[in-house]
Amino acid sequence: SSELTQDPDVSVALGQTVKITCQGDSLRDSYAGWYQQKPGQAPLLVIYAKNNRPSGIPDRFSGSQSGITASLTITGAQAEDEADYYCNSRDTSGNPPVVFGGGTKLTVL
Amino acid sequence: QVQLVESGGGWVKPGGSLRLACSASGFSLTDHYMGWIRQAPGEGLQWMTYISKRGDFSAYEPSVKGRFTVSRDHDRNSLFLEMSSLTVEDTAIYFCVKTRFGTFWDFESWGQGTLVTVSS
Repeated sequence: SSELTQDPDVSVALGQTVKITCQGDSLRDSYAGWYQQKPGQAPLLVIYAKNNRPSGIPDRFSGSQSGITASLTITGAQAEDEADYYCNSRDTSGNPPVVFGGGTKLTVL
Repeated sequence: QVQLVESGGGWVKPGGSLRLACSASGFSLTDHYMGWIRQAPGEGLQWMTYISKRGDFSAYEPSVKGRFTVSRDHDRNSLFLEMSSLTVEDTAIYFCVKTRFGTFWDFESWGQGTLVTVSS
């Protein structure tokens, strides 16, 4: 089965821009989704289908994708953005048919 | 307002069984693929299973195939996960998820999760 690889830890200064990346073969023909999870809470979908935001998600969150790499960018990171972020995608060639990345812990300094 | 409420978690001995339930409100289960995702303590997210809108097709993560069974009851607008032959590696929070219309991989709504602990 395919895997999605994320950097375990990323930090950003308050108000600055940060990019969190996700890499894997499943992204060759599937868009990544991105989820934010704060301690003790369920994950929250923040980006789907490469660069679409569900209702209520601030526009400082954006997504991009090229080749087998997807990225989540937070422009002007806020203290409340400190969380774990997970990417996922459909895997058209694999079993299981849905894969997640290992997660990135974002620290806002 | 979409709401997913899981129940049925708890402590079970290795080799035991458990049935999780997810009560959905604010939408109809017949319009969306539904699924379960789990998160072991201190670990990341792991996709477990999905079931089609009509309930006529499902898929499973290889490590639980043959042990877990997903089902849905449209009259009760509820989703279920039957788990058997449980091992300590199945210890996790289990989240019920609603997928974005037309997909089975974009999870747009999540329940609060129910904890399953497998231990002797």
